[in-house]
Amino acid sequence: DIQMTQSPSSLSASVGDRVTITCRASQNINNYLNWYQKKPGKAPNLLIFAASSFQSGVPSRFSGSGSGTDFTLTISSLQPEDFATYYCQQSYSTPWTFGQGTKVEIK
Amino acid sequence: QVTLKESGPVLVKPTETLTLTCTVSGFSLSNARMGVSWIRQPPGKALEWLAHIFSNDEKSYSTSLKSRLTISKDTSKSQVVLTMTNMDPVDTATYYCARRGLIAAAGTSYYGMDVWGQGTTVTVSS
Repeated sequence: DIQMTQSPSSLSASVGDRVTITCRASQNINNYLNWYQKKPGKAPNLLIFAASSFQSGVPSRFSGSGSGTDFTLTISSLQPEDFATYYCQQSYSTPWTFGQGTKVEIK
Repeated sequence: QVTLKESGPVLVKPTETLTLTCTVSGFSLSNARMGVSWIRQPPGKALEWLAHIFSNDEKSYSTSLKSRLTISKDTSKSQVVLTMTNMDPVDTATYYCARRGLIAAAGTSYYGMDVWGQGTTVTVSS
C-alpha cells in the first residue's frame, strides 16, 4: 500500500496568514494527488485534484503543487471559514489512501 | 443534482455484521466514468478509505479490512451496499459513501471523490 504522510499534524494560524501543508507519498504517484477539506459534522470536500488543479467552486486562495512523492497545499490568506482539517489522498493505485490529516486551528 | 445518502443501523453489537446502503441520484452506477467508494472516520481520527466499486462491477478493498468487507451494487435501484463482518468497538465511526468521478481528461484521466453523502454514524457496543 502507498503510505501518505502529512506534516504538520496541526497548526495554529491567524486570519490572513499564509499556510502551507505538506504531504509525502511512500512511492512515486506522479500527480495523482487530491486534497480534501473536512469540517466537524460535515462531509469532506474535494479542493484540489491532480495535485494542482482546482475543483469547481474552490476559492483561488487555495493552491496545490508537487509531483512524484512530495506535495504541498497552500492557503495564501487564511479566512475564518478555512479552519478545518485537510487531508491528502493518493489516487494513483488501489487501495487508495489518505494522509493522517492536518488540523488548522485559530491562533 | 448529484446526491448520495447513506442508511443503516445506528447501533450494532460486537461480532455482528454491519450492512450499509448508499442510495445515489443524479448519475448512473453504470456510467463508466463513475464509481462509489466507502470511507469512514472514527471519532477524533483520520479518514480511512474502505472499498470501491467500479461501473464494470470490479471491486477494490482496504488491505487491512479486506477479509471483513464486501461491496456490491444494484444499478436498477441506484444503490451500493457495504457489509462489514465481525464488528468491534474500534469500528465505531461515521461512514461515508462518495462518488469517484472523472474530473479531467485532457489526455490524462483524473478522478476524485467529488460528491459525498452526509455520513451515517455507527456505534459498536453491547
